[in-house]
Amino acid sequence: KAGVTQTPRYLIKTRGQQVTLSCSPISGHRSVSWYQQTPGQGLQFLFEYFSETQRNKGNFPGRFSGRQFSNSRSEMNVSTLELGDSALYLCASSLQLAGGLYNEQFFGPGTRLTVL
Amino acid sequence: AQSVTQLGSHVSVSEGALVLLRCNYSSSVPPYLFWYVQYPNQGLQLLLKYTTGATLVKGINGFEAEFKKSETSFHLTKPSAHMSDAAEYFCAVSRGGSNYKLTFGKGTLLTVNP
Repeated sequence: KAGVTQTPRYLIKTRGQQVTLSCSPISGHRSVSWYQQTPGQGLQFLFEYFSETQRNKGNFPGRFSGRQFSNSRSEMNVSTLELGDSALYLCASSLQLAGGLYNEQFFGPGTRLTVL
Repeated sequence: AQSVTQLGSHVSVSEGALVLLRCNYSSSVPPYLFWYVQYPNQGLQLLLKYTTGATLVKGINGFEAEFKKSETSFHLTKPSAHMSDAAEYFCAVSRGGSNYKLTFGKGTLLTVNP
């Protein structure tokens, strides 16, 4: 079974631009979460989507948004990029079984975003 | 609110020595606890998890961790370090159920010396 894939793997943007990152979950997984990883702040939760609905949200400004499509693929968008948005963005998918029991999250390799 | 504290941002051991990475958590509800490993330029890989049941949890690559509620700890151990264990390790906590938000510690970089 293919793992979680993220595209692109590397991205360079300039301040003020916007960017869209893509995540394809493991086949059959319906929950997709996004995390930002920086040397200073570590790993921080951005948001989680399930069945095309944002179910959980972290403490990030409105410039960070996301969506999920009917095939469970997810995108996250960052508008008006700032230097501090330079980070590794990780996506994780999980199989949501009936009953809402927690299932393991599988992480993708991440997208390395550099803002100049 | 939940939080995770990993004691020691960098741990160095000799090959064959005991590995002990410390993790303490804070949670207002019974927590789900995890250890992840991250190799350079890669995502996170789950080593082991505690949800309910047995408090001593065995994971992949010979790692294990013990959930101690009275000490709010979930330390990661491995009896004998291998060079391939060199990586960054993250402890994380979740509320469980349908809440998939993971709160991570700052990470511990493990160096294994020959």
